[in-house]
Amino acid sequence: QVQLVESGGGVVQPGGSLRLSCAASGFIIGDFGMNWVRQAPGKGLEWVAFIEYDGRKIQYADSLKGRFTVSRDNSNNTVYVQINSLRPEDTAIYYCARGRGDPPQQYFDHWGQGTLVTVSS
Amino acid sequence: DIQMTQSPSTLSAFVGDRVTISCRASQSVSGWLAWYQQKPGKAPNLLIYKTFSLQSGVPSRFSGNGFGTEFTLTISSLQPDDFATYYCQQYSTYSPTFGQGTKVEIK
Repeated sequence: QVQLVESGGGVVQPGGSLRLSCAASGFIIGDFGMNWVRQAPGKGLEWVAFIEYDGRKIQYADSLKGRFTVSRDNSNNTVYVQINSLRPEDTAIYYCARGRGDPPQQYFDHWGQGTLVTVSS
Repeated sequence: DIQMTQSPSTLSAFVGDRVTISCRASQSVSGWLAWYQQKPGKAPNLLIYKTFSLQSGVPSRFSGNGFGTEFTLTISSLQPDDFATYYCQQYSTYSPTFGQGTKVEIK
């Protein structure tokens, strides 16, 4: 069955960096656009980034441009997001989610369990 | 970005009640609207896409309706497993946005 497993979260100091990974199984990740969505503690969902199936098109939430870099390795069925210059407000659970439909009209039909990023000194 | 506003923010209901959650977009999203259910400590789960299409495996007591800027999610007969937070999401552009969520509580 479709499974997405995020990893790479942890506690990091303000100004630090992290790379999160999302390993896919049960489907060919190269056939799908993939997304990152985050959720701050006790808050709602915030879309972070999208990467098209072949990596040629990438979109970021306007408020996050410049610090986030999404990439993918279809040969390893994995998607990544690099987060630089981390701020306390980046503290959140980061989910990867599979996109369905033709971009830009993509909803998210499968989600990982999330990885927690805590930015604190 | 398109703003999504859900109402109410919290809803208290009995098992067996018919429940409706509203979602309003700040501009037309056509029919590109999805609904997700999230339980505490879990990832969101897709319920409905393209306004009223039921995701595989989702019980038929869930239904969606609307177009343009006004949408609803209805649960025809609330079950104990349905107590959760529900989010609408527009995906008409490359900047999808979510509503703030509606928490459905036991009355």
